[in-house]
Amino acid sequence: QVQLQESGPGLVKPSQTLSLTCTVSGGSISSGSYYWSWIRQPAGKGLEWIGRVSITGSTNYNPSLKSRVNVSVDTSKNQFALKLSSVTAADTAVYYCARETSSSWYAVFGYWGQGTLVTVSS
Amino acid sequence: QSVVTQPPSASGTPGQRVTISCSGSTSNTGRNTVNWYQQLPRTAPKLLIYSNDQRPSGVPDRFSGSKSGTSASLAISGLQSEDEADYYCAAWDDSLNAWVFGGGTKLTVL
Repeated sequence: QVQLQESGPGLVKPSQTLSLTCTVSGGSISSGSYYWSWIRQPAGKGLEWIGRVSITGSTNYNPSLKSRVNVSVDTSKNQFALKLSSVTAADTAVYYCARETSSSWYAVFGYWGQGTLVTVSS
Repeated sequence: QSVVTQPPSASGTPGQRVTISCSGSTSNTGRNTVNWYQQLPRTAPKLLIYSNDQRPSGVPDRFSGSKSGTSASLAISGLQSEDEADYYCAAWDDSLNAWVFGGGTKLTVL
């Protein structure tokens, strides 16, 4: 059973860079045709997709965040990471990592991490 | 503001059937399959319906999905108290090259 676990600082100062890691267990991050995504949810609000990476390093980002986001993969550690620069209070949210399974006729987030709260405050 | 629109709330009594709509555009829900996620309070979202109308194993057949044109719907029949949750639709947007989520619908079981 694949499991994903987010980790990283729970508090980040304004203007600094938010860095999170998602560790994948129960399977190799390199096996299969998957994308590895980050999704966030401010308190009391909806889900916002941030970006994704494939094991080849190919990335896609939410246009509204693209200038500040970097998603990368480290196959040797079975992890992928999120960096979000120049954060403000508006970036305070629960951050989820998720695995996207894609086929020729569908794509879906089948596995999610439990989420980690990141607060941006001085 | 989401590019995919859902009603913010829905409600029903136990045993009733409720539907939740999801309206997008030709670049997302019109061109690509729609998925539905259920988020119980204080938990991560869970896949409920994929590819418009497919249920993952373990999801009760009380939950069903459909899509027509640029709109999709989630139907829950035989409503139960444990169905009280937030429901999100999602689709890939070919113009944005990004996943887009609906704003979410909070379902209350009265």
